Amino acid sequence: GESVGLHLPTLSVQEGDNSIINCAYSNSASDYFIWYKQESGKGPQFIIDIRSNMDKRQGQRVTVLLNKTVKHLSLQIAATQPGDSAVYFCAEFGSGTYKYIFGTGTRLKVLA
Amino acid sequence: KAGVTQTPRYLIKTRGQQVTLSCSPISGHRSVSWYQQTPGQGLQFLFEYFSETQRNKGNFPGRFSGRQFSNSRSEMNVSTLELGDSALYLCASSDRLAEPQYFGPGTRLLVL
Repeated sequence: GESVGLHLPTLSVQEGDNSIINCAYSNSASDYFIWYKQESGKGPQFIIDIRSNMDKRQGQRVTVLLNKTVKHLSLQIAATQPGDSAVYFCAEFGSGTYKYIFGTGTRLKVLA
Repeated sequence: KAGVTQTPRYLIKTRGQQVTLSCSPISGHRSVSWYQQTPGQGLQFLFEYFSETQRNKGNFPGRFSGRQFSNSRSEMNVSTLELGDSALYLCASSDRLAEPQYFGPGTRLLVL
């Protein structure tokens, strides 16, 4: 079926280091993207979003980069903390499909 | 504002039974979407409702249905349950499409 970011890698980083989580999306017509964080036993939590007319957007300790040429999205987390350990999902929304498509996610493990 | 709430949080059913799950969106949000989350398939879109109308539907069999009430609360129903329906069912609300969706904690359904 439709999918974003088929691979589910595990990223292990040392506490205090920066983390970069990547996502490949499939629909070149998608114009809105979201990153979510999901902790065990909880629903996904909104982190940051970006629209296709932007290349970069910053939040608190997080930055999202969008490369439309290669259909690639990344989430950068600065000074990674133990509380950042979770599964991170990217999602795309296309004005043509009118629905969100989620990737399978990346598990982030923060090592003390 | 209170977040998205879902009831019940946990449910055990047997094959052939039916189940109804409930979702109360964030106050003021008119769009409610439902997702099924499993380890193997990730987050799969079920359907989206806006102002009591189903606007979009994913690739699920007709056993999966939903509705939305005038107060934006939504229910989804699964009839003739199968073992493969065991999953975490997530509800998400947003003010409009192409805006952040906010998720509830989910209902974990186990079909025996």
